[in-house]
Amino acid sequence: KNQVEQSPQSLIILEGKNCTLQCNYTVSPFSNLRWYKQDTGRGPVSLTIMTFSENTKSNGRYTATLDADTKQSSLHITASQLSDSASYICVVGGNNRKLIWGLGTSLAVNP
Amino acid sequence: ETGVTQSPTHLIKTRGQQVTLRCSSQSGHNTVSWYQQALGQGPQFIFQYYREEENGRGNFPPRFSGLQFPNYSSELNVNALELDDSALYLCASSWGTVEEEQYFGPGTRLTVT
Repeated sequence: KNQVEQSPQSLIILEGKNCTLQCNYTVSPFSNLRWYKQDTGRGPVSLTIMTFSENTKSNGRYTATLDADTKQSSLHITASQLSDSASYICVVGGNNRKLIWGLGTSLAVNP
Repeated sequence: ETGVTQSPTHLIKTRGQQVTLRCSSQSGHNTVSWYQQALGQGPQFIFQYYREEENGRGNFPPRFSGLQFPNYSSELNVNALELDDSALYLCASSWGTVEEEQYFGPGTRLTVT
């Protein structure tokens, strides 16, 4: 069964600290993996998209990694800011053109 | 901002009523996908429209229907509303297939009482 699992479910960190969010998937065949940031009650905003051949991709303070062999991805946030408080969702695309969404990690950055 | 707009932003309806949600896609995009996101859950794919034709559908009953217009804007219609239809409805536009990068609108919050 195609699934995307994220951990932790929620995370609280202090402003300025780094954190890493995890995503494990069983989607096959695999086409691409995306990380979205979603503020409460708002639409998701794309952070990164990676294909099979890409191991890492950065977008400012966000760096995503992908290990297609172990079917794992991580999103690393550097020097967190209060505005980073949001839900971070991992989404995996398969060759059947469907997207499989994770449930997200809820991140709270406290002053 | 992504350039994708949705209206209305909030809506309250009564069980059994019908509702129409609207989405204007980003300029140059010909594909619109609709998602339902319940509180604390990930978005669930409802259907996709590509060049005015339905191009894929998720596990939603026929009372969820849609349209895409020649300018690629789109409507989501829900008949016979149920309490469980209360959710954030997201529209995403893209150029081409689902696997292309989608740009999401701000969503419409529907509450069914």
